[in-house]
Amino acid sequence: GENVEQHPSTLSVQEGDSAVIKCTYSDSASNYFPWYKQELGKRPQLIIDIRSNVGEKKDQRIAVTLNKTAKHFSLHITETQPEDSAVYFCAASIEGGGADGLTFGKGTHLIIQP
Amino acid sequence: NAGVTQTPKFRILKIGQSMTLQCTQDMNHNYMYWYRQDPGMGLKLIYYSVGAGITDKGEVPNGYNVSRSTTEDFPLRLELAAPSQTSVYFCASATGGNQETQYFGPGTRLLVL
Repeated sequence: GENVEQHPSTLSVQEGDSAVIKCTYSDSASNYFPWYKQELGKRPQLIIDIRSNVGEKKDQRIAVTLNKTAKHFSLHITETQPEDSAVYFCAASIEGGGADGLTFGKGTHLIIQP
Repeated sequence: NAGVTQTPKFRILKIGQSMTLQCTQDMNHNYMYWYRQDPGMGLKLIYYSVGAGITDKGEVPNGYNVSRSTTEDFPLRLELAAPSQTSVYFCASATGGNQETQYFGPGTRLLVL
């Protein structure tokens, strides 16, 4: 099955700086890559996603890039703010592989230092 | 819309006890999922359903059972609770298949002692 690796496990950045979280996946058939943000004690919430026919997608301060050849995708957060502090999860799934859910990375704890 | 709701929020079980975690969605989504999240880990799929009357196993189904008698409800049953089932359980739903956004419930925190 699919395996998703996520790095780093913890990332500390100064407020206003950029943060980058990277994920790799194992199954070349995967073609949907969402990112979820989870605040302490809360549910995961989708912040951005990308499909395999697109190389990059932006939504204000958040962007995701996808390299299908290398089988990796990254989350970029610019001008970080205190409210960006949370755990971020990447995930991957395969279209047509059954509706068998998402395979998640282990998460990155993003800490925004004031 | 309430979205995806789960009950209870928190429960302590003794080893060997059984319980049902409830999940309900009011978005008329066909697809529903159960995940578990262990401390410091990502979410792992337990069971999923593509519609009423249809369920299938995910990555970690052992020790759990599900049913899907209606579109709205997708309960998760633990028959003989074990300490290894201590976790946070999230239910999610989606309109379609793997490329559709999954909406998560607030989670149920389960402690088995």
